[in-house]
Amino acid sequence: GENVEQHPSTLSVQEGDSAVIKCTYSDSASNYFPWYKQELGKGPQLIIDIRSNVGEKKDQRIAVTLNKTAKHFSLHITETQPEDSAVYFCAASQGNTPLVFGKGTRLSVIA
Amino acid sequence: EAQVTQNPRYLITVTGKKLTVTCSQNMNHEYMSWYRQDPGLGLRQIYYSMNVEVTDKGDVPEGYKVSRKEKRNFPLILESPSPNQTSLYFCASSLRYRGGNQPQHFGDGTRLSIL
Repeated sequence: GENVEQHPSTLSVQEGDSAVIKCTYSDSASNYFPWYKQELGKGPQLIIDIRSNVGEKKDQRIAVTLNKTAKHFSLHITETQPEDSAVYFCAASQGNTPLVFGKGTRLSVIA
Repeated sequence: EAQVTQNPRYLITVTGKKLTVTCSQNMNHEYMSWYRQDPGLGLRQIYYSMNVEVTDKGDVPEGYKVSRKEKRNFPLILESPSPNQTSLYFCASSLRYRGGNQPQHFGDGTRLSIL
């Protein structure tokens, strides 16, 4: 089955700097790659997703890139703000199979 | 407001005392799922349901039961809870889409402590 590795497990950045979180997946048939943000005391919330027919997707300060050949995808957050501090999860799936999540990255943005 | 509602949000109980965590969604979603979240292990799927009366095991189903008698509800049942089931639990739902997955909507979690 699918296996998703996520790095780093913790990340601290200065406010205004960029943050990058990377994930690799094992199943070449996977074609859907969402990213979730989990704030303290809340459930994960989808922030951006990408499908395998697209190499990059951007939404304001957040972007995701996908390299299908290397089987990895990354989340990029530019101009980080304190409210970006949270736990971020990547995930992968193919078609109707359940999502497989990475173990999460705790991002701290230091003002 | 579109949402997934879990109850209770917090529960402290004792080993062996049966408990049920309810989950309800108001988005007419076909797909529903239960996860547990433990430090360093991320989100692991317990059970999922593709539609009414259709349920399947996830990665960590041992010690849990589910049912899907109505589209909107997907309760998680612990028949004889044990301390290793102390965890943070999340229910999620999404549309089912052939040929691709859809964003999952999560509840705010249920923190269970089994003494």
